[in-house]
Amino acid sequence: GAGVSQTPSNKVTEKGKYVELRCDPISGHTALYWYRQSLGQGPEFLIYFQGTGAADDSGLPNDRFFAVRPEGSVSTLKIQRTERGDSAVYLCASSFQSGVTYNEQFFGPGTRLTVL
Amino acid sequence: DQQVKQNSPSLSVQEGRISILNCDYTNSMFDYFLWYKKYPAEGPTFLISISSIKDKNEDGRFTVFLNKSAKHLSLHIVPSQPGDSAVYFCAASGEYGNKLVFGAGTILRVKS
Repeated sequence: GAGVSQTPSNKVTEKGKYVELRCDPISGHTALYWYRQSLGQGPEFLIYFQGTGAADDSGLPNDRFFAVRPEGSVSTLKIQRTERGDSAVYLCASSFQSGVTYNEQFFGPGTRLTVL
Repeated sequence: DQQVKQNSPSLSVQEGRISILNCDYTNSMFDYFLWYKKYPAEGPTFLISISSIKDKNEDGRFTVFLNKSAKHLSLHIVPSQPGDSAVYFCAASGEYGNKLVFGAGTILRVKS
């Protein structure tokens, strides 16, 4: 079946603009995660959804970042008033979530965001 | 505060030999440890994992060793193949894997 897909693959924007990044998880996966990977670093956790609700948003760096998953499937990461420091690859992952055992996370190819 | 550290930015190995990638962690509450492999322009791909109650897990050419007292894990690839050339990330999580904490990665290059 299809894997996790993310659109756009690349996004270039100007400082101060608003951007939306989209993630389509694997069908049937109830858990969805957003990570951010800066150059030379490993992915850094941003937020985790179980169904429609954000179960853990402790990784969002500030209130300019917001994510939604209104129907429990597709998710959108929204960044307001972008700053040059927001430039990174934004990765989405999804998994089954039984709540009783570990579940592997499957990653999408990422969206490369460049803020000029 | 880096909870998961990969101290070797890169490693170069001859085809057919063993590749050993290392990882250290500081948080004793981690329950699962994982290795992900990443090719350019692709997302990380799960490779192998180990529960904190085990000290070894093997899957084909890949073996992960966990030393809880030293808070250290390693990935062994035997024999190494040119197609193994990629960035390898060590990651750790709590009980259900909801929030992965990644190291900075090690670039492995397998020379033919």
